Amino acid sequence: SYELTQPPSVSVSPGQTAIIACSGDKLSEKHTSWYQQKPGQSPLLVIYQDNQRPSGIPARFSGSKSGNTATLTVTGTQSMDEADYYCQAWDRDFIVFGSGTAVTVL
Amino acid sequence: EVQLVESGGGLVQPGESLRLSCAASGFNFHTDWMHWVRQAPGKGLVWVARIRNDGGGTSYVDSVNDRFTISRDNAKSTLYLQMNNLRVDDTAVYFCARGRGIQGEFDYWGQGTLVTVS
Repeated sequence: SYELTQPPSVSVSPGQTAIIACSGDKLSEKHTSWYQQKPGQSPLLVIYQDNQRPSGIPARFSGSKSGNTATLTVTGTQSMDEADYYCQAWDRDFIVFGSGTAVTVL
Repeated sequence: EVQLVESGGGLVQPGESLRLSCAASGFNFHTDWMHWVRQAPGKGLVWVARIRNDGGGTSYVDSVNDRFTISRDNAKSTLYLQMNNLRVDDTAVYFCARGRGIQGEFDYWGQGTLVTVS
């Protein structure tokens, strides 16, 4: 079955840049989305189609892709950005989520 | 305002059945693909099932195939998940989510409903 691999955790100081990678076989051929989930809340779409930001998502969130690795970048990280982040892609007729990355703002 | 409100969760014993509902409002429900996603306590997101906007096509994650059935009533703007032969490892919060376009991202999520199998 298809898998998306993310690091379990990323730590960042306030105001610095958090970078979260997501890798998968032939991910270069698929669109990647990213979701933020805070404790006790539903996931929130923060990036879609690799690098598109939904209305209302701050500009400090950006997405990119190079080869089979997609990247979510949070520039000027704030304490409110502390959350779990999941990448997601379609594989044929199925949806796959990455294992999630816990971002800690120290 | 788009709203997705799940209901129907609860505590059941292994082997029992449960039907979840997701009431949608604020958008043209009949035009959108819909999904169920679950999250076991302390674990990550797992996609469970999806249904095409006209109800004509469905797909499931392997672990629930032949036990779960996704369906929808477009006249009632409601999504369903019939869960049979529940197992302990089906314990999770179940979210419904709207899929944008065909094979698109999940742009709206419900608050989730907890299913406990014990």
